[in-house]
Amino acid sequence: GQQVMQIPQYQHVQEGEDFTTYCNSSTTLSNIQWYKQRPGGHPVFLIQLVKSGEVKKQKRLTFQFGEAKKNSSLHITATQTTDVGTYFCAGGSGGGADGLTFGKGTHLIIQP
Amino acid sequence: DTGVSQNPRHKITKRGQNVTFRCDPISEHNRLYWYRQTLGQGPEFLTYFQNEAQLEKSRLLSDRFSAERPKGSFSTLEIQRTEQGDSAMYLCASTVGQMSSGNTIYFGEGSWLTVV
Repeated sequence: GQQVMQIPQYQHVQEGEDFTTYCNSSTTLSNIQWYKQRPGGHPVFLIQLVKSGEVKKQKRLTFQFGEAKKNSSLHITATQTTDVGTYFCAGGSGGGADGLTFGKGTHLIIQP
Repeated sequence: DTGVSQNPRHKITKRGQNVTFRCDPISEHNRLYWYRQTLGQGPEFLTYFQNEAQLEKSRLLSDRFSAERPKGSFSTLEIQRTEQGDSAMYLCASTVGQMSSGNTIYFGEGSWLTVV
């Protein structure tokens, strides 16, 4: 079945540094979504990418979808303490199936 | 407050007992999803409904698991003869239309199950 791998598993950064998490799928995706989950909380939808090579920005966050639609990345510029949490990518396979396959997430830890 | 309500928020049960979780989605959302999440892992898809119809079930959903959405509004997830491996957070999510169509997906706060 479809597998979605995410690296790194943990990332420690100093406040103000940039952060990037990478997501790779074993199969071509119809779309990819990104979520943020705070400790003890639930996943919160951030964005969805659908088109090959698509790039979207939300303030300090930049999301990319690879040309082959098998990989994606999330980049945060100048991290702030409010960015702490786990960032998940989730891939959709399309073809009538509507469940998402989540990666294991990247835990972002920010040191002030 | 995401608008997706789940209860109970926490449940501790003895192995072999049955448990039921309820999810109330955002009222106009026709699609409702159940996921399971264990510590340190991402959510795993279990099943989803479009209105009252259950359209897809994961292989993770063994015979001991059953989900319903009888009137196309709230949904229940029942686990029969619970096992320790069922301990996890059970997440419900809802949206309008398909997850793949770009609509925002809203997750509930989850129901934590501990099987002892």
